[in-house]
Amino acid sequence: GAGVSQSPSNKVTEKGKDVELRCDPISGHTALYWYRQRLGQGLEFLIYFQGNSAPDKSGLPSDRFSAERTGESVSTLTIQRTQQEDSAVYLCASSTAGTGGANTEAFFGQGTRLTVV
Amino acid sequence: AQSVTQLGSHVSVSEGALVLLRCNYSSSVPPYLFWYVQYPNQGLQLLLKYTSAATLVKGINGFEAEFKKSETSFHLTKPSAHMSDAAEYFCAVSGAGRRALTFGSGTRLQVQP
Repeated sequence: GAGVSQSPSNKVTEKGKDVELRCDPISGHTALYWYRQRLGQGLEFLIYFQGNSAPDKSGLPSDRFSAERTGESVSTLTIQRTQQEDSAVYLCASSTAGTGGANTEAFFGQGTRLTVV
Repeated sequence: AQSVTQLGSHVSVSEGALVLLRCNYSSSVPPYLFWYVQYPNQGLQLLLKYTSAATLVKGINGFEAEFKKSETSFHLTKPSAHMSDAAEYFCAVSGAGRRALTFGSGTRLQVQP
């Protein structure tokens, strides 16, 4: 597609329920990133995929959070047993693979606003 | 490890005045530096990036930033603010083998008429 697409755009869930957030990266982008943005705060890194492997998942806050990616395509971020502290905007970004450690521009989706009540 | 510090969570300027948003980074290796802008109810958009080609980087909408290694800074400037510049601005760094961007906490720019 033309840009990074995330769904749903908004999600309200009850505390304790599981939620699944979806990200469709730009076609051909091998790198995919998930970030979390709490109200009034900066972006918090969650996980990075290169292809369908995750060389860096150091930002996942707890074992309730997991993510997977199918090939160089769709990624899903799953939050189990949601807590009120999980309320945030979850942002997905994708980029082409750099060389020699260089990063390239990351293109962001509009995000999924998750509210846990 | 790498980190980004943005001084001033809120900056207010008058329309037509100079915009200066501060960013200092910490990185053990030469970094790649970025400024992103987030307009109300929109996603993040890249303003400009530094990848060692030139220390003064020009971006979209009249913004530019200068990489100063001695000061570990990458401040964002615009000579004359416009009302449409009101947004949240994020500085980010990558490098040291970590491809994911590390973001600062953001600076909200207000432009007064």
